[in-house]
Amino acid sequence: EAQVTQNPRYLITVTGKKLTVTCSQNMNHEYMSWYRQDPGLGLRQIYYSMNVEVTDKGDVPEGYKVSRKEKRNFPLILESPSPNQTSLYFCASSRELGLRTDTQYFGPGTRLTVL
Amino acid sequence: AQKITQTQPGMFVQEKEAVTLDCTYDTSDPSYGLFWYKQPSSGEMIFLIYQGSYDQQNATEGRYSLNFQKARKSANLVISASQLGDSAMYFCAMREDTGGFKTIFGAGTRLFVKA
Repeated sequence: EAQVTQNPRYLITVTGKKLTVTCSQNMNHEYMSWYRQDPGLGLRQIYYSMNVEVTDKGDVPEGYKVSRKEKRNFPLILESPSPNQTSLYFCASSRELGLRTDTQYFGPGTRLTVL
Repeated sequence: AQKITQTQPGMFVQEKEAVTLDCTYDTSDPSYGLFWYKQPSSGEMIFLIYQGSYDQQNATEGRYSLNFQKARKSANLVISASQLGDSAMYFCAMREDTGGFKTIFGAGTRLFVKA
């Protein structure tokens, strides 16, 4: 089954304790992205990747790191989480960019609480 | 700078009636794509419909159609014959072709379908 998986689905942590949220897709997609969703703000893009070893900042990259060492994986790293990073996080992937084929497939989401 | 505005935080519609969810956008890029996603209470993000800036016709996908008015920079989603299962959060999103995989989302509209 074609899918984007994220782990963990739920995480409660404390300020300053490094964490990683994993994202993996089995569709051989070139493009991957991380978003955070906050009430009243919709989804905001944190980072995206257009290929292995190619990443770029979205609108809200501060406090986050990413890496793309393999095509299928795109982990999100919070080196020193703070309470303002409490949010719902989505990973997404897309096969290609084009006028008709640019559909993003989303993972199930990771709800992160930083105390 | 690209921007997406959804001015309706919440809307009610009677079952079997049509409803229009508003989306306006701002971009200086002549080539871009517009998307609508549905997020039910279960939390997953579901792609609904896509419109390219150079598409001559409005996009349609089953009961969903996109009322694209390029000069007014609006991309309203029309849902015909509403069903109870259409109750969800709806997000409008845009990607500029010169922006790589950078994508912005509106704040969303919560739709309630009444029986």
